[in-house]
Amino acid sequence: LAKTTQPISMDSYEGQEVNITCSHNNIATNDYITWYQQFPSQGPRFIIQGYKTKVTNEVASLFIPADRKSSTLSLPRVSLSDTAVYYCLVGGHSSASKIIFGSGTRLSIRP
Amino acid sequence: DTGVSQNPRHKITKRGQNVTFRCDPISEHNRLYWYRQTLGQGPEFLTYFQNEAQLEKSRLLSDRFSAERPKGSFSTLEIQRTEQGDSAMYLCASSPREEGAKNIQYFGAGTRLSVL
Repeated sequence: LAKTTQPISMDSYEGQEVNITCSHNNIATNDYITWYQQFPSQGPRFIIQGYKTKVTNEVASLFIPADRKSSTLSLPRVSLSDTAVYYCLVGGHSSASKIIFGSGTRLSIRP
Repeated sequence: DTGVSQNPRHKITKRGQNVTFRCDPISEHNRLYWYRQTLGQGPEFLTYFQNEAQLEKSRLLSDRFSAERPKGSFSTLEIQRTEQGDSAMYLCASSPREEGAKNIQYFGAGTRLSVL
């Protein structure tokens, strides 16, 4: 199983750029890297997915180095509403049971 | 709103009772997942359906748990003889048909179970 390691928590301030790094040393060739956001009492919400290099959408960017053993979720100019838990996942391409959420990173944004 | 719908949102039951939760996925999604989430932890995989077929089931899943998706649309998760350790949020997710997108999942708001 491709296990991921993320910081347990991070703090930042409104308007700052936040980068959350995830390590996944055992990522398989076919695995994608996916990030989810979860607010209290809600289900996780898909943010972004990538395979290599850089992916950008309207809410975030995902940076993946050539060896794919880590990835960085970048949130530009965060606001208070970005306070949430962020999960990095790899795998799932071959088996749903190999999708492991882990404990995530609890991001707290302050005014 | 055509997102994933779960009912009920909250369920309080006494130990030993049976409970059933329902999940209505996004209509064009053929893949459906059930997860369990306890406080401070990420969602834990329980089971996976592709259409009406239950293709994967967690080895950690007790035989008191059963899930069905009889017509490949909605799904139910039943817990028999509930125990206090079953108290958790039960999440349902669905994903679209495209290969390679298997782990882009769309989650419901969950059913919070409290076993007294």
